[in-house]
This record gives sequence, structure tokens and C-alpha cells, in this order.
Amino acid sequence: AQSVTQLDSQVPVFEEAPVELRCNYSSSVSVYLFWYVQYPNQGLQLLLKYLSGSTLVESINGFEAEFNKSQTSFHLRKPSVHISDTAEYFCAVSRTGFQKLVFGTGTRLLVSP
Amino acid sequence: DTAVSQTPKYLVTQMGNDKSIKCEQNLGHDTMYWYKQDSKKFLKIMFSYNNKELIINETVPNRFSPKSPDKAHLNLHINSLELGDSAVYFCASSLREAHEQYFGPGTRLTVT
Repeated sequence: AQSVTQLDSQVPVFEEAPVELRCNYSSSVSVYLFWYVQYPNQGLQLLLKYLSGSTLVESINGFEAEFNKSQTSFHLRKPSVHISDTAEYFCAVSRTGFQKLVFGTGTRLLVSP
Repeated sequence: DTAVSQTPKYLVTQMGNDKSIKCEQNLGHDTMYWYKQDSKKFLKIMFSYNNKELIINETVPNRFSPKSPDKAHLNLHINSLELGDSAVYFCASSLREAHEQYFGPGTRLTVT
């Protein structure tokens, strides 16, 4: 069975500072990895995904994540955050060939001026 | 241009009642899901349907019954509601071979 660990429940940062949200997964088989973002009182939006190929994936709003198979990690980074990035971020994993997404417990990113 | 929509957005009801939540997607996807997000924001899959066929059924009480009349719709009926059913329920959809799932805005169910 797959599992996802997001060690940081909350990450406070100042605007324009860099941020890293950590995600580690556990699986004995190949997996796909995702980051979803949930703004207050909204649904989840897909931020970025790793399916295969380049281990570094990027989103259109400046986030990037790197798949590290040896460390079983998929950390999310942004070099300079904005107030509007304040949200809950969920890391998720699915087993190749299966549709079930297994989510981590989420990390709340709080960006202050 | 709503991709995945859910109704109602909010649902407040008393213990013991029966209620339904509806989900529709206009993305042309063939697979739909129900997830439950608890008060600690933990998300867990409940059900998945592919082409109207149930393919994932996690350990959910049988008071919960999903129904998929066609590929674009997946409804969730809940009988004899309990306090512990209070949560946000998200519908999602995908193409079976595409892996990424698209979520609806959620339905906040409050059982009093």
C-alpha cells in the first residue's frame, strides 16, 4: 500500500521569501506523484504532476517539484512566494495502473507581508 | 464553463435523515470519484466509477451508496446520517489512462 507523509502541518513565510514544502512517499511499486492546492473554501486544483521523464516538473505560477526516487521524495519549492500563495498544499501518490489517489495530511502555507 | 460541479454546496441536516449530493462533469472523462475530507483536512477516497461501473469501494459504511446514471454524473446518497458524517465531500473526475484528477468545489455536510 502507498502512503504519503507531509511532515510540516504549517509553514509560515514572509512574502518574496523562498519556500519548500516537504513530501515523502512510501511504495513498493512505481508511482505517480502530484501536488494539489486548496485555497480557502474551494476545491482542490492540480498544481503539478510527475508521471515519467524529467524528474523536475514546473507549474505555470512558479512552483516546481523534484522527484527523487532514492529519497522517495517529491518536495515542492518556490523561489519567491506571494501573499496569494497562502493555501493548503496536498501531496498525493497513485500507483501506476490504478486510479486511487492517496493524499498526505496537507501543509498550510501562510505568507505574510 | 464549470468542469466539475457539485450540488448543493452546503447541506445542513439532522441525524437520521437521508440526503443526496450530486456531481456532474463536462470534461468528457470516463472515471469519477468521491472523496471525503474530514475536519482535519485529511482526504480519503470513498468510491470510484469507470463508465458507470464501480471500480473502487473503500471501507465505507453501506449507508453510503453511490450511483452513476451515466459517465458524466456520479451521485452520493447517504442514509441515516450520523454526526461523524459531517465533512466536506469532493467529487473528482479523470480519464482512466490519464491519472490526474480534477476536483469539484466540494459539498460541506453538517449533521446536527
